[in-house]
Amino acid sequence: AQKITQTQPGMFVQEKEAVTLDCTYDTSDPSYGLFWYKQPSSGEMIFLIYQGSYDQQNATEGRYSLNFQKARKSANLVISASQLGDSAMYFCAMREGMIKAAGNKLTFGGGTRVLVKP
Amino acid sequence: DVKVTQSSRYLVKRTGEKVFLECVQDMDHENMFWYRQDPGLGLRLIYFSYDVKMKEKGDIPEGYSVSREKKERFSLILESASTNQTSMYLCASSYRGRITEAFFGQGTRLTVV
Repeated sequence: AQKITQTQPGMFVQEKEAVTLDCTYDTSDPSYGLFWYKQPSSGEMIFLIYQGSYDQQNATEGRYSLNFQKARKSANLVISASQLGDSAMYFCAMREGMIKAAGNKLTFGGGTRVLVKP
Repeated sequence: DVKVTQSSRYLVKRTGEKVFLECVQDMDHENMFWYRQDPGLGLRLIYFSYDVKMKEKGDIPEGYSVSREKKERFSLILESASTNQTSMYLCASSYRGRITEAFFGQGTRLTVV
């Protein structure tokens, strides 16, 4: 079963507008972390933002914010004031069992391609 | 500056060849990961390792093996390359048990002909 689901394969957004990228996850572990990464056409993976399962507040990093709804198991990324340079693939990822002695695997969703229009 | 380095950016191999993809990190991370990335499928975990000589299967381990003899180095091995293993391969590393992000290498685009 899919652990991380990103239902939007691709989307267009107008420059300067906000865009929300959906991510739902599935875990029975009470301790987990959720990450968003950006992958521009050059291919590198750029870490954007992190949310821990016990964090009381939604994470924010500059123009990126995470709309974390724990009961719904969703962790949507909001990009405010889109720029042309935001055009990229965006991946949601999860690490479960943060307190395990053994390592924690990092699982990714299928990604959402964002194209910012001038 | 933190670094995860993959030995090749592009690789072309023949069907049936044994292929080694190498990954080195300089951050003293315990966890290391190998993913393959295919259009529409995102990143799929092949194997990961949380310590020297330790390995765990990911979601698609068939046709692959790994080796971690030193903490900084994690190798992905294709015992007998096949055309359906043509893909982008990404290596990543992270701290174990700490809430930090994973760092990625630049990727190796492998073509099996």
